[in-house]
Amino acid sequence: RKEVEQDPGPFNVPEGATVAFNCTYSNSASQSFFWYRQDCRKEPKLLMSVYSSGNEDGRFTAQLNRASQYISLLIRDSKLSDSATYLCVVNRDDYKLSFGAGTTVTVRA
Amino acid sequence: DAGVIQSPRHEVTEMGQEVTLRCKPISGHNSLFWYRQTMMRGLELLIYFNNNVPIDDSGMPEDRFSAKMPNASFSTLKIQPSEPRDSAVYFCASSLRESQPQHFGDGTRLSIL
Repeated sequence: RKEVEQDPGPFNVPEGATVAFNCTYSNSASQSFFWYRQDCRKEPKLLMSVYSSGNEDGRFTAQLNRASQYISLLIRDSKLSDSATYLCVVNRDDYKLSFGAGTTVTVRA
Repeated sequence: DAGVIQSPRHEVTEMGQEVTLRCKPISGHNSLFWYRQTMMRGLELLIYFNNNVPIDDSGMPEDRFSAKMPNASFSTLKIQPSEPRDSAVYFCASSLRESQPQHFGDGTRLSIL
C-alpha cells in the first residue's frame, strides 16, 4: 500500500466552481501534513500546512481527519490560475516527507 | 528573499559522462534535501543533510550517485558515470528545521542520451 494515495483526477471545473478532493495516508503516527501545488514543468510549492482543527487560506480550506487518516482540500470560487497538480504531503519521520502522486485540477473559462 | 537556487536548469549529456548538479539552500535553513522526480515514480527523496551532515542517503540509487555539502550554503549531487535511466528532474529543497515545510528550487532537468 502506498504511504499517501490521491485520486489523480483530472478534475475539470468551470471558473467560479468549488472543487474538493482528498488524500489518504497509511502512517497513523504522522504529525505534519501539507498541500503543495505543482505547475507543469515547475517545482512543487507549499500551498498550505494542514492543522488538526482545519484551516483556511483565502479560497482554500484544508481539513484533517486523523481517525480516518485522510486530508482534504477545497477550493472555492476557482480561478484559471488554480489549474495545477496538487500534492498531498505527509511526514513519515521527523524529516521524511511522503508525497502523493498528485491530483490534477483544470479550471476552464 | 532568495529561494533555493539550483544550477544548471537544464543538462543534456551523453551516457558515461559525469554530471554535477548544484544547490544553494535558503540562508539560515539547516536541512537540505535532494529529490528526483519522474513520471513513473513521482518524487523520491535521494539524500537528506542536517547541519551539513548526511543523515539519510538510503534513497541514493546506487554507487554512481554521490552528494556532498561542504558548507551551509552549498551542496552538490554527482552522477558518475551517467546512464539514460538517470534522466529526470532533480530538485533540491531546504527547510528551517527538519520538520518544517520544505522549499524547493526550480530543479535541474537532466537528459542522458
